Amino acid sequence: SQQGEEDPQALSIQEGENATMNCSYKTSINNLQWYRQNSGRGLVHLILIRSNEREKHSGRLRVTLDTSKKSSSLLITASRAADTASYFCATDENYGQNFVFGPGTRLSVLP
Amino acid sequence: DAGVIQSPRHEVTEMGQEVTLRCKPISGHDYLFWYRQTMMRGLELLIYFNNNVPIDDSGMPEDRFSAKMPNASFSTLKIQPSEPRDSAVYFCASSRGGQHFFGQGTRLTVV
Repeated sequence: SQQGEEDPQALSIQEGENATMNCSYKTSINNLQWYRQNSGRGLVHLILIRSNEREKHSGRLRVTLDTSKKSSSLLITASRAADTASYFCATDENYGQNFVFGPGTRLSVLP
Repeated sequence: DAGVIQSPRHEVTEMGQEVTLRCKPISGHDYLFWYRQTMMRGLELLIYFNNNVPIDDSGMPEDRFSAKMPNASFSTLKIQPSEPRDSAVYFCASSRGGQHFFGQGTRLTVV
């Protein structure tokens, strides 16, 4: 079964708005990562948050992690059309070296 | 660094034929992963290597799939014989533990 489950499956917003995506997972983890995938391309790493961290920022990205609820959120502020992509969370299931990816959230930012 | 390099980018083959996908990881990375992405099943881990040794191949769908890593700079994923249900995008990724660096993928179509 999927370790990470993103929510919503699809999100459509206007340019300039904020986009929030959520991820839930099942097992204990060392860290959780978010990736972006543009259509027809490979995944690109965005940000990593460790299990002892609660919040992390990178540019317009803000990631939170709640290990008690086994959930994370990715916030993209002041969205741009170029942010249109699929976003995946990935967790190191049971502290493993391989990462389990969720099904992703398809974000569409309309100009 | 050129990143993870996969070849070919596109492959169209007839059912029953052998298909070989190739991957050159980033120099210095000691983990290599093969993933398959489809609309129905999302991103699935097929197999991963550490220091050229296969660690977990539980994701390999069946005996028709095999993967090798003869040295630190090269890996192959072979499907023999190929079937239409193998049609997908196959990604290779490498890491030093943690963040994955993905290749651009090979889009395989089996007709």
